[in-house]
Amino acid sequence: DIQLTQSPSLLSASVGDRVTMFCRASQDISNYLAWYQQKPGKAPKLLIYAASTLQRGVPSRFSGSGSGTEFILTISSLQPEDFATYYCQRLKSYPLTFGGGTKVEIK
Amino acid sequence: EVQLVETGGGLVQPGRSLRLSCAASGFHFDDYAMHWVRQLPGKGLEWLSAISWDSGRTDYGDSVKGRFTISRDNAKNSLYLQMNSLRPEDAALYYCAGSPNYYDSSGFHYWGQGTLVTVSS
Repeated sequence: DIQLTQSPSLLSASVGDRVTMFCRASQDISNYLAWYQQKPGKAPKLLIYAASTLQRGVPSRFSGSGSGTEFILTISSLQPEDFATYYCQRLKSYPLTFGGGTKVEIK
Repeated sequence: EVQLVETGGGLVQPGRSLRLSCAASGFHFDDYAMHWVRQLPGKGLEWLSAISWDSGRTDYGDSVKGRFTISRDNAKNSLYLQMNSLRPEDAALYYCAGSPNYYDSSGFHYWGQGTLVTVSS
C-alpha cells in the first residue's frame, strides 16, 4: 500500500508567518491528494483536493501544489484560527490513506 | 444544512460486537459514496471502509478487513458499520464521511462529529 509521510510533525509559527508543510507519497499518486484541517474536538474539514484545488469557502491564503510523490500545503499569512493539525490524504484508489499530520502551534 | 450524526458507540468488551450508525440529512445521500474513518485518542486519522452509492462496491483497510462490514440504507439516509471481534486497539472516535463519487478525487466533503468506541474488559 502507498504510504503518506508528512513533515514536519510539529511546526511552530507566529501570526502573519508564511507556513509550508509537506506530504510525501511512497509511490506516484498523480494529483490525487487532499488536505484537511482539524481543530481539537472537531471533525476534519476539507481544504484542498486534486492537490491544488481550493474547496469552496476556504480562504485564499491556503494553497496546495505538487504532483507525483511530493506535495506542499502553504498558508500565506497565518491567522489565529489556522492553529490546528493538517492531514493529507491519498484519493481515488483504495486504501484512501491519511498522512500522520502536521500540527501548527503558536510560537 | 448538511448533517451527519453518528450513534452506537460505547463501552464493549474485547471479542464482542458493536454496530455504528450514521444518519445523513441536508444533501442527496444516495448520490454520495460514504466512508468510515477513525481516530485513536491523540492520534491521526485512519481510513477504514468505503461503500458506493448503490452498495455495489465496498473496500476496507487491512486493520479491519474480515472483522468490520459497511452497509447503507438509502431509503433511510443511513450508513452503518458492523464491528465484530473487537480489540482494545479498535478503541477510537469513529467518523462517517461523504464523498461525491466512489473513485473520487475531490475528497471527503462532509463529516460527522464522531462516536466514541471504548474496548475494555
